[in-house]
Amino acid sequence: AQSVAQPEDQVNVAEGNPLTVKCTYSVSGNPYLFWYVQYPNRGLQFLLKYITGDNLVKGSYGFEAEFNKSQTSFHLKKPSALVSDSALYFCAVRDTAFYNQGGKLIFGQGTELSVKP
Amino acid sequence: DADVTQTPRNRITKTGKRIMLECSQTKGHDRMYWYRQDPGLGLRLIYYSFDVKDINKGEISDGYSVSRQAQAKFSLSLESAIPNQTALYFCATSGGYNEQFFGPGTRLTVL
Repeated sequence: AQSVAQPEDQVNVAEGNPLTVKCTYSVSGNPYLFWYVQYPNRGLQFLLKYITGDNLVKGSYGFEAEFNKSQTSFHLKKPSALVSDSALYFCAVRDTAFYNQGGKLIFGQGTELSVKP
Repeated sequence: DADVTQTPRNRITKTGKRIMLECSQTKGHDRMYWYRQDPGLGLRLIYYSFDVKDINKGEISDGYSVSRQAQAKFSLSLESAIPNQTALYFCATSGGYNEQFFGPGTRLTVL
């Protein structure tokens, strides 16, 4: 079965330190991978995506993600965390079982990032 | 104006009532989706539509129905609301294989 796992419910980081939010996936075929962020009382906002090409993908707000095919991972990273990065982060993968239609996403359960001053 | 809007933003209702949540988008996308979000469970797909004549069930469609009135409008109905349908509901749109764009959400409470 196709799935996405975010192994950490919460990640705590001090401001200025690097952060990593982990994501692993299981899909058949080539994965299309996405990261979203949700601030309190808001909808999900798109951060970045991997479709093909370079394994290191750069996105909004200084975030980047590293695609690792052998480890089936797509970890979200930022070199220097800000207090304003505190939010709920979701990893998602395109459901390849619906290849001919496309667009359908499978989401992880989310990771709460807390950045302390 | 927001690209994806949802109404209402908050709704409190009673068990057994019929509820409709509405979604409109100005992005010109063909694909639209309804999700519910519950703490610790992430987002789960309720229904999705790849064009006006195409409606598909997601992983948790029981107790819900949808209507795609136009390319820009996709409504979710709870025919007879029950307390375990209390959740945050999101509408989203996408163009093809690209990222989805989400509305601000509707917080629904069923008493």
